Amino acid sequence: EAGVAQSPRYKIIEKRQSVAFWCNPISGHATLYWYQQILGQGPKLLIQFQNNGVVDDSQLPKDRFSAERLKGVDSTLKIQPAKLEDSAVYLCASSHDGGTPPLHFGNGTRLTVT
Amino acid sequence: AQTVTQSQPEMSVQEAETVTLSCTYDTSESDYYLFWYKQPPSRQMILVIRQEAYKQQNATENRFSVNFQKAAKSFSLKISDSQLGDAAMYFCAYRSARGMDSNYQLIWGAGTKLIIKP
Repeated sequence: EAGVAQSPRYKIIEKRQSVAFWCNPISGHATLYWYQQILGQGPKLLIQFQNNGVVDDSQLPKDRFSAERLKGVDSTLKIQPAKLEDSAVYLCASSHDGGTPPLHFGNGTRLTVT
Repeated sequence: AQTVTQSQPEMSVQEAETVTLSCTYDTSESDYYLFWYKQPPSRQMILVIRQEAYKQQNATENRFSVNFQKAAKSFSLKISDSQLGDAAMYFCAYRSARGMDSNYQLIWGAGTKLIIKP
């Protein structure tokens, strides 16, 4: 089966600019996750979708981050405006449903904010 | 709240030798999953091995095996016959087996960088 697809692989922007990341989960996977991974740390969950509904966005900085999953398939994560501390790898993952491990991850997007 | 601790920021091993990565966790639950993920420089998180807490038998996947000590809340990963391709960050993760969807979050350790010496 095809894996989780993410784009772009790399992105460099200046602070206060906006950026968007795209994720296409494994076909048939109802649950989609966005993680932020700062260098040297484990991933931090930003938002979890079940189909096109939000299950958990408690750690999403909603003043600057937004995410949507239209039609319950692919998803976009946006940052506007970006700050220096947003420099990180953004990982997308999916699972068949929220109760069935494991998670399957994409290759991530490395964001550098200058 | 559950926590996962990986006390070894970095480990190194000679190629073809065996290495053990440590992981301890804290939880009051009796039913849960434990995972080891590998993250090479390509950045993709790859599942190495999983363990269900209700299973007493330690999980094994080819050269990878775990030592699951439920009472001690310890979940170490043993890599036998280390290969250059095993060089990566290794993350231990915990997940509850019960509850609402929001409780199915993975709780991650800080990771251990594994270096393979040729």
